[in-house]
Amino acid sequence: DAGVIQSPRHEVTEMGQEVTLRCKPISGHNSLFWYRQTMMRGLELLIYFNNNVPIDDSGMPEDRFSAKMPNASFSTLKIQPSEPRDSAVYFCASSLSGGAETQYFGPGTRLLVL
Amino acid sequence: AQSVTQLDSQVPVFEEAPVELRCNYSSSVSVYLFWYVQYPNQGLQLLLKYLSGSTLVESINGFEAEFNKSQTSFHLRKPSVHISDTAEYFCAVSDIGAGSYQLTFGKGTKLSVIP
Repeated sequence: DAGVIQSPRHEVTEMGQEVTLRCKPISGHNSLFWYRQTMMRGLELLIYFNNNVPIDDSGMPEDRFSAKMPNASFSTLKIQPSEPRDSAVYFCASSLSGGAETQYFGPGTRLLVL
Repeated sequence: AQSVTQLDSQVPVFEEAPVELRCNYSSSVSVYLFWYVQYPNQGLQLLLKYLSGSTLVESINGFEAEFNKSQTSFHLRKPSVHISDTAEYFCAVSDIGAGSYQLTFGKGTKLSVIP
């Protein structure tokens, strides 16, 4: 299996622009997670999907962030408009069934907002 | 609310020496415990986890961690490190039950193995 696939790997954009991050989970996994990693705050869970349905979005920082999972093999995280404080590494992870199952992380998208 | 404290942000150690990476947690409920490893420019990978049973858990590459409920600790140890162990290590905790998907991570410990 190819593992969790994320694109792009790097993104540089200007403040105010829309940013879309993409994730393909491991085939057969029913749970998908979006995390954000920064030096100041460490690794934070943004949103959790189970069977394509958002279960917990309490970590989404504000209305500028939105996430979708239209099918079992694809998810997006969108930031509109982007701000410099959104600069971070964004990880997507998937697991078989949520719970305490092992989460498999993608390589991350490094976002820089100028 | 849960919290995880990794007491050392950086740990340098010579090759073939032993190492201990410390992790303490705080939670009002029973927890599951995890160690993840992140190699440069990669995502996190599960190293080992404690769910129940024996308090000593081992990984396939020689690391081990022991759950100590009274001290609320889950320290990671390896008796002899290799250059390839250079990475950042994250301790994480989740509630037992409906919220077990939600991992709370520590800030990480960067292990540097010196030849």
